[in-house]
Amino acid sequence: DVKVTQSSRYLVKRTGEKVFLECVQDMDHENMFWYRQDPGLGLRLIYFSYDVKMKEKGDIPEGYSVSREKKERFSLILESASTNQTSMYLCASSPRGSVNTEAFFGQGTRLTVV
Amino acid sequence: DAKTTQPPSMDCAEGRAANLPCNHSTISGNEYVYWYRQIHSQGPQYIIHGLKNNETNEMASLIITEDRKSSTLILPHATLRDTAVYYCIVRVRGSSNTGKLIFGQGTTLQVKP
Repeated sequence: DVKVTQSSRYLVKRTGEKVFLECVQDMDHENMFWYRQDPGLGLRLIYFSYDVKMKEKGDIPEGYSVSREKKERFSLILESASTNQTSMYLCASSPRGSVNTEAFFGQGTRLTVV
Repeated sequence: DAKTTQPPSMDCAEGRAANLPCNHSTISGNEYVYWYRQIHSQGPQYIIHGLKNNETNEMASLIITEDRKSSTLILPHATLRDTAVYYCIVRVRGSSNTGKLIFGQGTTLQVKP
């Protein structure tokens, strides 16, 4: 069964901490995405990557960075966590090229910054 | 990038068809319409997609108007497990032809017994 796995389901961090959210996919997909989801705002794209070491900003990249050193792994980094980054974070992957494909999502990481 | 507009919420009786509308009046000729849903506390799940023809799979049917400015997702016999937020998405082409997904706020479908 194909899978996108996020390292933590729930996470609590302190303001100012550096936070790493990890995502691994086993489908050999080229594209990987990080979203955050907040009540009333739907899913918003933070960053996406279309290949190893390649990345592009989404709609809300401020306060975040990403790393893609291996094809199967896409990390989201909060350099200095703030309370307004408390949210549900969702990772997804999809194959490259044709738009005739669907994206597969992980179960999400609920991050609370206190 | 083409944007979508969906009603924030809808109700449907169990066993009846649920018809979820979506407007995408600025859609380009090479953009597809995708539908996903998200059941509470889970990641989004792909349902169906289409370009200009109507499509059907084991989960749902997708009806796209001739001018492609709107579409309707049909769940033919809604069950309580279909209660979820449904997202209509126009698939865009990113700078490297990745087909970037952009999600809006979706429609919360409540299926009632």
